[in-house]
Amino acid sequence: QKEVEQDPGPLSVPEGAIVSLNCTYSNSAFQYFMWYRQYSRKGPELLMYTYSSGNKEDGRFTAQVDKSSKYISLFIRDSQPSDSATYLCAMSATGRGNQFYFGTGTSLTVIP
Amino acid sequence: DAMVIQNPRYQVTQFGKPVTLSCSQTLNHNVMYWYQQKSSQAPKLLFHYYDKDFNNEADTPDNFQSRRPNTSFCFLDIRSPGLGDAAMYLCATSGRGPGRETQYFGPGTRLLVL
Repeated sequence: QKEVEQDPGPLSVPEGAIVSLNCTYSNSAFQYFMWYRQYSRKGPELLMYTYSSGNKEDGRFTAQVDKSSKYISLFIRDSQPSDSATYLCAMSATGRGNQFYFGTGTSLTVIP
Repeated sequence: DAMVIQNPRYQVTQFGKPVTLSCSQTLNHNVMYWYQQKSSQAPKLLFHYYDKDFNNEADTPDNFQSRRPNTSFCFLDIRSPGLGDAAMYLCATSGRGPGRETQYFGPGTRLLVL
């Protein structure tokens, strides 16, 4: 079983829709959770960083962690064509960069 | 304004011909990483440096080597590229801090092996 599972999509939504992206994991020791956005042929950029459980909001983005279910989500409100990218989740038990476990990414297209 | 710079952005090489990818950073971070990312796959950690301390992942092939001559620069050497080494190579950095490390990625070098 993979440490981190992420639905690869592709996911296609109309502009203005609410998008929900999800990852599940198997290691109950994970306590640092991240979402990265990766545009085509570019490196990943950090969107959200959450420690332990709960919600974190930043503009149109909300990250949610449910440790009891081993499930994390990223919600995008009022989605824009510029949100079209691949979204990678990543997580770690220690917070150390050499011990990040990445998902395979979900490809999102927002249609104008 | 660029923080993590990778050169070249695209590299074409022939089967078995050595190639070197470079990474530089202006963040003065002490930790640097090299990842390999294939299409629709998660980035796979190849190496990382804490300062000058080199750390090789257990499943990184011997064909891959790395050098970090100073804090700002890091190189990835592929001694004899095979067709299976065609991928995006990502460099990342992070600063040491209590509890957590945030990685900053470069734009990547896309390697094509003919």
